[in-house]
Amino acid sequence: AQKVTQAQTEISVVEKEDVTLDCVYETRDTTYYLFWYKQPPSGELVFLIRRNSFDEQNEISGRYSWNFQKSTSSFNFTITASQVVDSAVYFCALSENFGNEKLTFGTGTRLTIIP
Amino acid sequence: DAEITQSPRHKITETGRQVTLACHQTWNHNNMFWYRQDLGHGLRLIHYSYGVQDTNKGEVSDGYSVSRSNTEDLPLTLESAASSQTSVYFCASSDGTGVLDTQYFGPGTRLTVL
Repeated sequence: AQKVTQAQTEISVVEKEDVTLDCVYETRDTTYYLFWYKQPPSGELVFLIRRNSFDEQNEISGRYSWNFQKSTSSFNFTITASQVVDSAVYFCALSENFGNEKLTFGTGTRLTIIP
Repeated sequence: DAEITQSPRHKITETGRQVTLACHQTWNHNNMFWYRQDLGHGLRLIHYSYGVQDTNKGEVSDGYSVSRSNTEDLPLTLESAASSQTSVYFCASSDGTGVLDTQYFGPGTRLTVL
């Protein structure tokens, strides 16, 4: 069975600090997708990134970067120079079989950026 | 613009009543999903559908049912609401071709069962 662990329940950092959110996953499939979603205080779920199991290249999008390491089954998310608007709950999720199957979510990390 | 909507956004009901939450998407996506979000559990899958007339049980399907009579809608029914079903419910859809398979979520419905 697949499983996603986000061990950090809550993190608080001062604005402009860098912060890394950890995600560790378990799956027996060789083909799978990993996702990050953001849930701001308004409550909606916003898609941030999808990565397939064959692509271990790190990705950078503005202040956001993702580090995928199959050797440690981790897909960590780093926010550089954090801003108050980054305050949200962040979910890591896993999908097997080309993403056509259900998403298994971690329990989320609540990130608070202190101005 | 294509979108996914849920209604109502907030609902208060009593134990034992039947409740239906609506989900409508205009992307023409094949796949649709219902999740519930509870503190300490993240999001958990209730039911999902890969197309018209197809429905499947997820991790926490007891007490819930869905039907898919067209591509756009996947209503979620609580047959006899229980206090344990107080939660925030999210509907999602995805293309289902295996290439652009990212799930996009609706705004959520907050359900309170008294």
